[in-house]
Amino acid sequence: DMQMTQSPSTLSASVGDRVTITCRASQSISSWLAWYQQKPGKAPNLLIYKASSLESGVPSRFSGSGSGTEFTLTISSLQPDDFATYYCQQYNSYPWTFGQGTKVEIK
Amino acid sequence: AQLVESGGGVVQPGRSLRLSCAASGFTFSSYGMHWVRQAPGKGLEWVAVIWYDGSNKYFADSVKGRFTISRDNSRNTLYLQMNSLRADDTAVYYCARAQITLGFDYWGQGTLVTVST
Repeated sequence: DMQMTQSPSTLSASVGDRVTITCRASQSISSWLAWYQQKPGKAPNLLIYKASSLESGVPSRFSGSGSGTEFTLTISSLQPDDFATYYCQQYNSYPWTFGQGTKVEIK
Repeated sequence: AQLVESGGGVVQPGRSLRLSCAASGFTFSSYGMHWVRQAPGKGLEWVAVIWYDGSNKYFADSVKGRFTISRDNSRNTLYLQMNSLRADDTAVYYCARAQITLGFDYWGQGTLVTVST
């Protein structure tokens, strides 16, 4: 099965900071990678698909990059609403798999 | 689009439970549908998928042989039949719509399944 490894597991940052989360796949997944934001008690919300495409309605401070096995999610200027857990997910092959998550906390 | 799960609850180990997911606001019969779960305090785990027409199904190794997925396109409803439940099946179960180029673009609110004596 495809393994997805995110880093860091936890990230402490301040409002206005630039934040980068990394996701590595155990094999090439081309660009079939999505990023989700999840807040406590809520379902995940799609942010980025196909590695770098911004989902409709998602603020432009979120961006994604990468292909093959290395991917990044960047928040250009962290806002109070962005403190949450972020997951990468590959949909290149079944079983679809998620990274373990990155919790973005207030510094 | 809206997805609403139901059927969760407390069940003893070894027993069965069936979850439902009612879909509205989109053409249900045109989309592959998935179940994803999240154990308390843990990350997301993909569980199963069923093709738009029910022709193909895939399962995570952790549930293979115990869980089945089905759909009724006339009722716009997705199901997850869970048999031989174990304590490590305890989780919030989400149904999610998928598009092959997007991943999961709509999620339900989730339903909690607790497997305990």
